Amino acid sequence: EAQLVESGGGLVQPGGSLRLSCAASGFTFSTYWMSWVRQAPGKGLEWVANTKEDGSDKYYVDSVKGRFTISRDNAKNSLFLQMNSLRAEDTAIYYCARDSHGGIDSLGPGTQVIVSS
Amino acid sequence: DIVMTQSPLSLPVTLGQPASISCRSSQSLVHSDGSNHLDWFHQRPGQSPRRLIYKVSNRESGVPDRFSGSGSGTDFTLKISRVEAEDVGIYYCMQGTHWKTFGQGTKLEIK
Repeated sequence: EAQLVESGGGLVQPGGSLRLSCAASGFTFSTYWMSWVRQAPGKGLEWVANTKEDGSDKYYVDSVKGRFTISRDNAKNSLFLQMNSLRAEDTAIYYCARDSHGGIDSLGPGTQVIVSS
Repeated sequence: DIVMTQSPLSLPVTLGQPASISCRSSQSLVHSDGSNHLDWFHQRPGQSPRRLIYKVSNRESGVPDRFSGSGSGTDFTLKISRVEAEDVGIYYCMQGTHWKTFGQGTKLEIK
């Protein structure tokens, strides 16, 4: 069974940066596309970005293009999200997710990001 | 970008009665592989979402058979044959054909 555990969230000022990490276990990490999904307080789910198995292809939702970078380290079974130029509207729970069957089959418990002065 | 529209947004249901949620996409979800990449998720308060169904009608392991999915192209439906107390929460559809987009969510509550 896939296990995904996020870390790195916290309180950051507008314009600041954070780097989220996701530790994956229970499956062969290097054979799956991986995603980040977020959920603003009291709101619905929003896909943020994903990356191909080997990290060669990366895609982003328009609202984070140029500010967020997704990356992975297959040797360490880890997924990352570097978030720069953070805005209040980036405040959310960020979930690490595994892509499968054309969608997403597992999400971690999430890490909270709060952007506020 | 593909927009996913769910209805209703609020769904009060009596225990043991059926429930149905509609999900419509702004473009066809037929992928180049011939399938529709449409998932359904369930999220309980304070928990992360759990996928119930993938590619329209395939139940994940452990999902009760009272949950079923149908549809094709732009119109999709999640049905619960007999609602149980543990089914409360928010249901989301998500398309994975053109990147990924979620619907707004449907909140199911017990009358």
